[in-house]
Order: sequence, then C-alpha cells, then structure tokens
Amino acid sequence: DAKTTQPNSMESNEEEPVHLPCNHSTISGTDYIHWYRQLPSQGPEYVIHGLTSNVNNRMASLAIAEDRKSSTLILHRATLRDAAVYYCILRDSGGGGADGLTFGKGTHLIIQP
Amino acid sequence: AAGVIQSPRHLIKEKRETATLKCYPIPRHDTVYWYQQGPGQDPQFLISFYEKMQSDKGSIPDRFSAQQFSDYHSELNMSSLELGDSALYFCASSLNSGLAGGLYNEQFFGPGTRLTVL
Repeated sequence: DAKTTQPNSMESNEEEPVHLPCNHSTISGTDYIHWYRQLPSQGPEYVIHGLTSNVNNRMASLAIAEDRKSSTLILHRATLRDAAVYYCILRDSGGGGADGLTFGKGTHLIIQP
Repeated sequence: AAGVIQSPRHLIKEKRETATLKCYPIPRHDTVYWYQQGPGQDPQFLISFYEKMQSDKGSIPDRFSAQQFSDYHSELNMSSLELGDSALYFCASSLNSGLAGGLYNEQFFGPGTRLTVL
C-alpha cells in the first residue's frame, strides 16, 4: 500500500473549523483515500472516503488535490467529541473490499474548550 | 442499531497459555477483520475473512489462527502467549457482497478485547 504522511498532532478550539492534512505523493490511480478516527478507549470509526472529487457527509468534508498527492479532512465545527486520532488510509481498488486497513501514525487532534 | 460484539471484553492469561477471542459481526455482514493494537501504538491488521474463507493476511504471528463460522462469527485463537501479545484486539465487520470490490463499504469496529499476558 502507498504511504501516507500526517502531522503528529494538531490543536484547535471548540466550534472552529479544523483542517487535517495528509500527504500521499506515491498514490496510484486506483487508490481510494479513506479517513478513520479513533476516539479514546474506542475502536476506530469510518469518517469519509473519496477518489478524485471532493466529498461531503454528515461528519466531515474531504478535499482532494487535483494531482491527488494530498488531501485534507475538514471538520466544519469541531466539538470536544471530535478529539481523536485521525488516520488517512489508502485502499487499492484492485485489492478487493475484504482487505485490511493499513493504519499509519495518524494525527492526534486536541480540541480546546 | 446493532454493532459488532466482542467477547470477552477483558482477558488475563499467563505466559504460554492459550486464548480464544470471539467476534459477532453486524447482522448480514459477510466480512470480518481482526486488528491488534499494542499500548501507545496504532492498530495493525492481522487477518480477514470473506464468506468464511480467508481473504487477506497481515502481520499475524504463526502462533495465532482464526476462522469464520457458518453463522459469520469469527474466533481468533492465540497459543503460546507471550508478554508482547498484551494488547487491545479489535474485530471489524463489513458487507462486501454485491458491490464492485466492496471498497465503498466502511468497516465497523467492535469495542475490543483487552488481553493482558502476565
């Protein structure tokens, strides 16, 4: 799987937008970009995924660079509940849906009240 | 909504003992994944099963084995336990049938089993 690079940690204030970057300069044309997060003492949970176009769902938005070498997860209005480790993960569409996720180092997001 | 169920939630074993962890996927999900998360570490993929057949294999030690049963639940069997096996073990499930590659299907994680090896 192609490698991703994320900042170790980021800090933001409650009710402000948060932009979490991810670099994946070796991404291949068949790689999807997935984001998961892990809240303290819980299992990871899916956030969002995309291929080329920007994506929105009820949790977040995903902005993908035109060359696909980087992406940004956007939390529009962070709450204390969003404090978690956020993982950017590439999944090869040729690998099949039952392939495991490769978790990198992730970004530890700290939300200040 | 029903979630992934893992049992037991906590398990304490001695070195060289065996342990069996169980995972009950979300109803109608056909794929199960196992992950290991050591203290202060990120989750590491161990193994996955789709329709009761092994699908993908990660960094699962030879001392570990797993299977998925006809009711889709899965068990992770761990033998000759070592101190370094102390970790959180997560099971996840997803539905992969009927879609191209199943990549659109998120993995739903259970609450984990905390294994402590003394």
